[in-house]
This record gives sequence, structure tokens and C-alpha cells, in this order.
Amino acid sequence: EAGVAQSPRYKIIEKRQSVAFWCNPISGHATLYWYQQILGQGPKLLIQFQNNGVVDDSQLPKDRFSAERLKGVDSTLKIQPAKLEDSAVYLCASSLSGQGRYGYTFGSGTRLTVV
Amino acid sequence: QKEVEQDPGPLSVPEGAIVSLNCTYSNSAFQYFMWYRQYSRKGPELLMYTYSSGNKEDGRFTAQVDKSSKYISLFIRDSQPSDSATYLCAISPSSGYSTLTFGKGTMLLVSP
Repeated sequence: EAGVAQSPRYKIIEKRQSVAFWCNPISGHATLYWYQQILGQGPKLLIQFQNNGVVDDSQLPKDRFSAERLKGVDSTLKIQPAKLEDSAVYLCASSLSGQGRYGYTFGSGTRLTVV
Repeated sequence: QKEVEQDPGPLSVPEGAIVSLNCTYSNSAFQYFMWYRQYSRKGPELLMYTYSSGNKEDGRFTAQVDKSSKYISLFIRDSQPSDSATYLCAISPSSGYSTLTFGKGTMLLVSP
């Protein structure tokens, strides 16, 4: 089974610029998550999709972050404008059901550096 | 009080040692407990999953849950250099669309 694909792997941008990350989940996984992992911290949920609908975006800074899931498959996460504190690894994960108790499959993440 | 507390380490042990990694959580509504392993520059991968209080064993790994104390542990027997990674505990409520809440992770270094 192919894993969760993410691109790009690394991105360096200046503050106030915009950036977008892409995720392709495991085929058949209805639930897709974007997590932010700051260095030395555990992953923090940004947004959860069930098919192409949003289930939880309570921790997404909506003034600068946006996300969409196209046709219930691929997803993009965008930051505009970026701030220094957005430097982190952005992890995409997917699962068969919407219940965290079965665990997720994570991609390798996109490492964002804002300078 | 954070929902999940985990000592960040690093924890350094010699090869062959028994390793104990621990987390505490604050909300008794959490019913599902997982351990993820994260190698450098990789995403977390699911290592162990438990539901009930007690022990669950998988090879050299044992996950232990004490719901009365809100305490979860991961034991690694005969630790190997390849076990060097960050170990994240994760918890989830019992039902419905639920997300995982992660601890900060404990970095483990196993020296040959």
C-alpha cells in the first residue's frame, strides 16, 4: 500500500510571503488531517476533513491559513501571509474512519522555514 | 494543565537496556492510547495501540495503561541503536469523530 505523499519536502520563504503544501492520502482513506509540528513539540491538529467536508478546524488560524480537499482526495494547505512562528513541519495524515482510536498514517511532512 | 504530559528527554541508554517511556493525561474521557515512533525527518508511525487498562505486548515492546492513575507507559526490552527515535504518546476520546492529542515526545538515544 502506498503511503501518504506530501510535497514539497522543504520550503524556505520570507515572512509575509505565501506558501502552499500538497497532500495525497492513502487510497480509500476518507479522513485527512493536517498537523503542525514545531521543533521539540508534538503534532498539533490544524484541520480534519471527512471526504471533502471539514470536521474540525478549531485550531486553524483562519486569518492566514486555509485548506481544501479536492473531490475528497488530495488536499492543499496554504499560508498567506507567513509569519516567523509558522516555521514548523506540516504533517498530513489519513485514516480509514474519522476515529483517532485506530491510528493514523502520516506522511513525511513538509519542513517550512520562514526567515 | 496540558491534556498530555510527556518528558521530552533526551533519554540515553546503552544497547540492551530496558527503556521505560511515560505519559500522563488529565481527562478521564480519553479511552484509546497509542504510541508513535518518529525517526528524524520522518512522519510519526504507529507502534502500539491499546484500549483497556493493563499490558499489551508486541515483540520487544510492551504498552501499559493505568486508567485509574491516568498514566501510560511504553517499555522497550533489549533496546537497539535502531530504536533511537522520538516516541510520542497519543490519546483519543472514546467515540465519534475524534482526533488524536499528542504528547511532546521523548527522544531516545540507544548507544552501541
